[in-house]
Amino acid sequence: ETVLTQSPGTLSLSPGERATLSCRASQSVSSSYLAWYQQKPGQAPRLLIYGASSRATGIPDRFSGSGSGTDFTLTISRLEPEDFAVYFCQQYGSSPYTFGQGTKLDIK
Amino acid sequence: EVHLVESGGGLVQPGRSLRLSCAASGFTFDDYAMHWVRQAPGKGLEWVSGINWNSGSMGYADSVKGRFTISRDNAKNSLYLQMNSLRAEDTAFYYCAKGRGYSTSPADYWGQGTLVTVSS
Repeated sequence: ETVLTQSPGTLSLSPGERATLSCRASQSVSSSYLAWYQQKPGQAPRLLIYGASSRATGIPDRFSGSGSGTDFTLTISRLEPEDFAVYFCQQYGSSPYTFGQGTKLDIK
Repeated sequence: EVHLVESGGGLVQPGRSLRLSCAASGFTFDDYAMHWVRQAPGKGLEWVSGINWNSGSMGYADSVKGRFTISRDNAKNSLYLQMNSLRAEDTAFYYCAKGRGYSTSPADYWGQGTLVTVSS
């Protein structure tokens, strides 16, 4: 099974700042099948990025994904108040489709 | 509009069984893979199982393999999760999620979840 490790565990930033979240895999992720999700309290997760760098439908362009192999990054260029949430990465290149443990992005 | 509604959750004793259902609408159900993902209260996400569009391929988390069975009925636009030999650590919200494609794909729409509590 592919283990995903996200860092940092918590990221404290202010609106308008740039956020950089990391996801590292224990083995290469097949075909860059790496996704990012956002989850707010009491809500289901929302797909942000798939294929490591493609934005899902309706996702603002301040969200971008990059990386390949074992190292992936989610960048939020200018934080909006609604972006403060928990972010999870997931690999879906090989079963089981594992998730990272999450990064909590909170307001500084 | 895509709509996914889970049902079948509740309180169950350890060792017993439970069957979750997910009713799908707003998209052509038999064109897409489907997933079950769970989240223990206050914890992270765990992918439980997935099934491709025609039930030709299924996958399971190691933690549930041999105990849980995923299935779908394309005629009824429904997804199921049969959970046997339940354990306390299976306690979680269980989400039904639509795959973005017909096979290997992430989940692009999610239901609101159903809570399963395993306790004596």
